[in-house]
Amino acid sequence: EIVMTQSPATLSVSPGERATLSCRASQGLGSNLAWYQQKPGQAPRLLIYGASTRATGIPARFSGSGSGTEFTLTISSLQSEDFAVYYCQQYNNWPPWTFGQGTKVDIK
Amino acid sequence: QVLLQESGPGLVKPSETLSLTCTVSGGSISNYYWSWIRQPAGKGLEWIGRIYTSGSTYYNPSLKSRVTMSVDTSKNRFSLKLDSVTAADTAVYYCARGGAALDYWGQGTLVTVSS
Repeated sequence: EIVMTQSPATLSVSPGERATLSCRASQGLGSNLAWYQQKPGQAPRLLIYGASTRATGIPARFSGSGSGTEFTLTISSLQSEDFAVYYCQQYNNWPPWTFGQGTKVDIK
Repeated sequence: QVLLQESGPGLVKPSETLSLTCTVSGGSISNYYWSWIRQPAGKGLEWIGRIYTSGSTYYNPSLKSRVTMSVDTSKNRFSLKLDSVTAADTAVYYCARGGAALDYWGQGTLVTVSS
């Protein structure tokens, strides 16, 4: 099973600032990685798939990069609605698809 | 807009079977993979398994011996059964569209295992 490790666990950022979240895989994934945003009491929402392709309706301030074992989600200018938990998820090696433990982005 | 809605008992007794259904509206269930994911309170996400509309299934090995998924294309819904549940199976259960990246999710349903 591929282990996904996200860092940091918590990221404190001021509105308008840039946030950079990291995700590392225990084995190479190519570009088979997705990012999700989850707010309290809500289901996750797909942000990025294929490591760098924004899902439908996702603002351009969200961008994904990386391949292999190292991936990054960047939020260029944090808006109030972006404070949430972010998960990466690999879909290169089944079984099973696996998620990182999450990075919480909170208000500084 | 594709909408997914989970339904089923919110409370299941230990050793019994958890049964959930996900009804899809706003689009056809055909020709897609459909998945179940769960999340214990305050914890991360665990992929339970996925099913194609042909009926092909792929289960997480950690749960494989207890999981059964099925699909009913005539009713645009798919289902999850988890046998012999314990307190460790208490979680919010989500259904979602996709066999890899998941682009539509249900709101989730809390299932508590307790006597």
